[in-house]
Amino acid sequence: DTAVSQTPKYLVTQMGNDKSIKCEQNLGHDTMYWYKQDSKKFLKIMFSYNNKELIINETVPNRFSPKSPDKAHLNLHINSLELGDSAVYFCASSQSAAHLTKNIQYFGAGTRLSVL
Amino acid sequence: AQSVSQHNHHVILSEAASLELGCNYSYGGTVNLFWYVQYPGQHLQLLLKYFSGDPLVKGIKGFEAEFIKSKFSFNLRKPSVQWSDTAEYFCAVTLQPASGGSYIPTFGRGTSLIVHP
Repeated sequence: DTAVSQTPKYLVTQMGNDKSIKCEQNLGHDTMYWYKQDSKKFLKIMFSYNNKELIINETVPNRFSPKSPDKAHLNLHINSLELGDSAVYFCASSQSAAHLTKNIQYFGAGTRLSVL
Repeated sequence: AQSVSQHNHHVILSEAASLELGCNYSYGGTVNLFWYVQYPGQHLQLLLKYFSGDPLVKGIKGFEAEFIKSKFSFNLRKPSVQWSDTAEYFCAVTLQPASGGSYIPTFGRGTSLIVHP
């Protein structure tokens, strides 16, 4: 059983399109995250939700909209895709935000987005 | 803003060589420190962590890291690497911004380690 699963694994699309990446965790965790890893391997947090509530929003263009229908899911929708959005997007989860600083994160396998 | 620096971006070693990967962070407050590893084709997973107590922490697969507060460092070490240690290694720090609010996990840019058999 995959603890944190994200789909699709690869996504190739044209500029200007709208796309979504889905993430699900079966660990019973309260907190979920989206990270962007650029071509230089920098892993930067984008968003974090705790029990469906947004708790971290790190200066991300508003073309990116996370949605958490329940605490086991955190989807990422991207409008009007641009070339610079090409990256690997990682979903992660951790037990809770109450002790966020001590939480170990469990990562998905990543979604490689290529915008042409 | 807080940041995490990993000085070695690419490291190539032969099996049985010793490894030390540097990690420095910029923040004067209380921090919690992690090393994550990403083996080829796999997801990131925790290698070891430091919250408090003994500054020398041991992780899986013979890895250890030492927290030196005065140097703002958390370097990763292994006395004798194996081919199977070939992977990307990420140092991470979780800390609270000076302005308050949620703790932000901050990652270094990663070090690519290749071990030749």
